[in-house]
Amino acid sequence: AQKITQTQPGMFVQEKEAVTLDCTYDTSDQSYGLFWYKQPSSGEMIFLIYQGSYDEQNATEGRYSLNFQKARKSANLVISASQLGDSAMYFCAMREVNTNAGKSTFGDGTTLTVKP
Amino acid sequence: DAGITQSPRHKVTETGTPVTLRCHQTENHRYMYWYRQDPGHGLRLIHYSYGVKDTDKGEVSDGYSVSRSKTEDFLLTLESATSSQTSVYFCAISPTMDQPQHFGDGTRLSIL
Repeated sequence: AQKITQTQPGMFVQEKEAVTLDCTYDTSDQSYGLFWYKQPSSGEMIFLIYQGSYDEQNATEGRYSLNFQKARKSANLVISASQLGDSAMYFCAMREVNTNAGKSTFGDGTTLTVKP
Repeated sequence: DAGITQSPRHKVTETGTPVTLRCHQTENHRYMYWYRQDPGHGLRLIHYSYGVKDTDKGEVSDGYSVSRSKTEDFLLTLESATSSQTSVYFCAISPTMDQPQHFGDGTRLSIL
C-alpha cells in the first residue's frame, strides 16, 4: 500500500529565504508520480510540481523545485525566495501509474507561514 | 481553471437524509475522483472512476456510493447521512494516470 509521510506539521520561514518541506513515501511499485499541491486559506487545491519515478533530473517550476532522492524515497519541496503569498498548507501526494487508475495518496500536510 | 464545477458549494442537512454531490467537468478527462478533507488529515480517497460506468472504491468508501453515466459527470451519494460525514468534499480529474489531478473548489457539507 502507498503511504506518504510529512513530518513537519508547521514551518516558519522569513520572507525572501528558502524553505524545504519534507516528504517521504512508501510504495512497492516501480512506476509512480510524486506531486506537490498548495492549499491557501481560501481552500482551493493548486498543483505546483510533478516528478516521475523514472525522471533523472529534479523537477523545477519557477521558485519551486523538487529534491527527489529515489533510494531514500524522499521528495522534498524547496521554495526559494519565499513570499508572503506562499503562506499556505502544502500537500505531498503520490500516484501509482500503472495500477488502480492512478489513484492518489496524500500526506497530512505542512502549514507554512512566511514572516515579513 | 481546469473546467471543474462542484455543486452545491455548501450544504447543511440532517442526519438520515440522502445527499448527492455533483462534479461536472468540461475537459473530457477519463479519470475522476472524490476525496474528503477533514482537519488534521490530508485528502482521503472515497471513490474513483476510470471511465463511464467504471468506478471503484477508495480508502474511505463506507457510507458512500457513486455513479458516472456520462464522461462529464461524477456523482457522490450519501444514502443516509451521518454526522461523521461532515467534511469538505473535493472532486478531481486527470486525463491520464501520470498527470496531475486538478481539483474543483470543494463542497462544504455539514450534517446536523
